[in-house]
Amino acid sequence: GAVVSQHPSRVICKSGTSVKIECRSLDFQATTMFWYRQFPKKSLMLMATSNEGSKATYEQGVEKDKFLINHASLTLSTLTVTSAHPEDSSFYICSALQGAGWEQYFGPGTRLTVT
Amino acid sequence: QKEVEQNSGPLSVPEGAIASLNCTYSDRGSQSFFWYRQYSGKSPELIMFIYSNGDKEDGRFTAQLNKASQYVSLLIRDSQPSDSATYLCAVKEAGNNRKLIWGLGTSLAVNP
Repeated sequence: GAVVSQHPSRVICKSGTSVKIECRSLDFQATTMFWYRQFPKKSLMLMATSNEGSKATYEQGVEKDKFLINHASLTLSTLTVTSAHPEDSSFYICSALQGAGWEQYFGPGTRLTVT
Repeated sequence: QKEVEQNSGPLSVPEGAIASLNCTYSDRGSQSFFWYRQYSGKSPELIMFIYSNGDKEDGRFTAQLNKASQYVSLLIRDSQPSDSATYLCAVKEAGNNRKLIWGLGTSLAVNP
């Protein structure tokens, strides 16, 4: 149980284009999902908390107009990186809360490269 | 600023030994504590969670929590080379906020 998928696993895009990353909870409903980014050999950085049916809560310093989050159903949250630039290249990982617990279950991550 | 601190390592142990990973946290009101394992290039994987003072065992893993000392640890018995990874300690903030505060991780190397 508690399986989270992400798609795509890898994406290369040109500077100025937008990229959408999907995060799905496969065997449970997730009212809350989280989006993280991680640079090489660095720790996780929480970008935003995604709540089903409401606006995401962004961490300080994260541009909400650049990183659009939509959590339209109990099993799907999407992160869209708009007008991507090379500095947006990173490992993006989502996680989901199962039920009332506090344990976060992670997707496999999406490696974004912006050329 | 609420913090979770871990020794970055690397912690190097021989195969078959006990690996001891430590974590301290600053938020005295925290109630929920988690250990994740992250292999290079992969996403974190939940290993253990502990909510009550004392020890919690699951296979070769034991989590230990001491809320008075604001200290949580992870013991790995009979360490295997496949245990070589970065171990992340995470603490849930006190209150209704559902997010976790993350340590920077301890790198563990188990040598054959």
